[in-house]
Amino acid sequence: KQEVTQIPAALSVPEGENLVLNCSFTDSAIYNLQWFRQDPGKGLTSLLLIQSSQREQTSGRLNASLDKSSGRSTLYIAASQPGDSATYLCAGESGGSNYKLTFGKGTLLTVNP
Amino acid sequence: DVKVTQSSRYLVKRTGEKVFLECVQDMDHENMFWYRQDPGLGLRLIYFSYDVKMKEKGDIPEGYSVSREKKERFSLILESASTNQTSMYLCASSFPGGREKLFFGSGTQLSVL
Repeated sequence: KQEVTQIPAALSVPEGENLVLNCSFTDSAIYNLQWFRQDPGKGLTSLLLIQSSQREQTSGRLNASLDKSSGRSTLYIAASQPGDSATYLCAGESGGSNYKLTFGKGTLLTVNP
Repeated sequence: DVKVTQSSRYLVKRTGEKVFLECVQDMDHENMFWYRQDPGLGLRLIYFSYDVKMKEKGDIPEGYSVSREKKERFSLILESASTNQTSMYLCASSFPGGREKLFFGSGTQLSVL
């Protein structure tokens, strides 16, 4: 059974800093991995999806990478802004899981002005 | 713009009541999901559906049922609400195949008193 872990649970950085959020998973037969953003009391917004055949995906200041052999994914945020403050969750879909995602518990990011 | 709409933002119900949570998507997605999100436990899958009238149990189906009579609508039913079902409920939808992002509604915060 796939297990997804995100460390640290919370991170606080000054505005303008580049930062990396970490996600690890136990089942290397991962089909895809998504990174989500969640604002307080709201639903999740998918930021990036990486297929198992891909190594990374980019969208604006965000870059996500996937290393199946080490069971790790990272979300890189460049030139962080206070508006980036949110909880970031990763979720993996394993082959044969019939489209079910396993979520990590998230990293609460605070970007201080 | 892609939209997943949950009928209520906040709900307060009494123990023993039958509760209906409604979710509608306008993207012609085959897959629809119901999750609950609790502090410290993260997101857990209750039920999902990959086609009209089709459903599969997720990780925590006990005390819940679902209905999908039309492609765009997926309902979660709490047969007899209990206090331990107080939670944030999130509906999501996607195309099948694992190559598409998962889209979430804004959530329903349910309190059972």
